[in-house]
This record gives sequence, structure tokens and C-alpha cells, in this order.
Amino acid sequence: DGGITQSPKYLFRKEGQNVTLSCEQNLNHDAMYWYRQDPGQGLRLIYYSQIVNDFQKGDIAEGYSVSREKKESFPLTVTSAQKNPTAFYLCASSIGGVETQYFGPGTRLLVL
Amino acid sequence: QKEVEQNSGPLSVPEGAIASLNCTYSDRVSQSFFWYRQYSGKSPELIMSIYSNGDKEDGRFTAQLNKASQYVSLLIRDSQPSDSATYLCAVRNDYKLSFGAGTTVTVRA
Repeated sequence: DGGITQSPKYLFRKEGQNVTLSCEQNLNHDAMYWYRQDPGQGLRLIYYSQIVNDFQKGDIAEGYSVSREKKESFPLTVTSAQKNPTAFYLCASSIGGVETQYFGPGTRLLVL
Repeated sequence: QKEVEQNSGPLSVPEGAIASLNCTYSDRVSQSFFWYRQYSGKSPELIMSIYSNGDKEDGRFTAQLNKASQYVSLLIRDSQPSDSATYLCAVRNDYKLSFGAGTTVTVRA
């Protein structure tokens, strides 16, 4: 089956800890995106990548880092510099432009 | 001013009625507009896209766009309990989509 997978479904972070959220797609899409969703708010763009080995900051990149070493993978690291990381994190991909974004199932990050 | 604003919910409609959702956007040059449906605890799924002024119909869904008024709407006809979800309006701004906060719809049986 083609699609986007995110793991884990739930992730717990301790104070001062870096954690990495996984995003994998087998749709052969060029572009991949990371969003954050807080209760009662829309999705906010953290980072995006339009091609392997290249990525750009979105609106709320501070405290996050990404890599794009393979076309199918776009992991997101939430660093200790992100002071309010509790949120629902969504990865998306598209074959070209942003119009046809497909979302993964999401990872819910909680702070212990 | 937020880039994309949606009418505050929640919106409760009886089964079989029409649910009307509204969205306004601030960037006059935006050209592409989208409606996503998000069930509780799930990821958004695209249900409608619209690029030209006027109406676009897809089954029970109708999207309406008025670029002069910077306004997009979504009508859900013959609402079903399965339509109970949060509906997100999204507008393309260059390389990204800007999302509204969403309107939660509850369809009463």
C-alpha cells in the first residue's frame, strides 16, 4: 500500500531531551512537510523540503531541526530549545506543489 | 490579522440539513483554496479544492469562492452523522498552505 507513515503514534519527552519523529513515504513524492497542530488552532508549518538534501524553514522552525537524506524520509527532531513541544505533529508529502498534500496519521508529543 | 479566519464553532445541524462554513483570507493575491476534513484525533484529508470564482460541486459538498471579497465557503448538503468533524480552510501562499483554526461541525441524528 502506498502512503505516509509516522512513528511513534505517541511520544513522551523528558525535560531537556531531544526526540526524533519519523516520517516515511512510498508515494515517490518530491516534497515533504512538517506541521504542528495545537488545540483550537490550525496547522502551522515547521519545515518543508522540495528535494533531497534541501529544506527550508517554515513559520515556526525555532527549536526544531530536520534532515532530508533520502527522498522517502523526512525526520523531525524536537530539541530541548523547544520549550512548549506538546502538540500533534503532522507530516505531509506532495508530488510537486502544495495543492495535493497528503498527510500521515500524526504523532502526539507529550512532555513528562 | 490572521491570514485565514474561519467562523467560530461549534456548528450543530440536524441530520439532513445544510451546514454552511465560512472562511476569509487576507492575501489578495492568493489563487488556490482548499477544504480539509479532520476527524477527532486523525489527520486532515482533502475534500475540496477551488481555484476560480463561483461554485464547485462534488457530491454533497459545494465550495464557493469570491476573490473580490476574499471569501471561501463550504456547503454540506443533506448532512449525515459521518460529516461530524472539524473542517479546515487552507489558502496557498507561495510555497505553503496557511490554515484556519477550523470549524467543528456536529450533525444531530
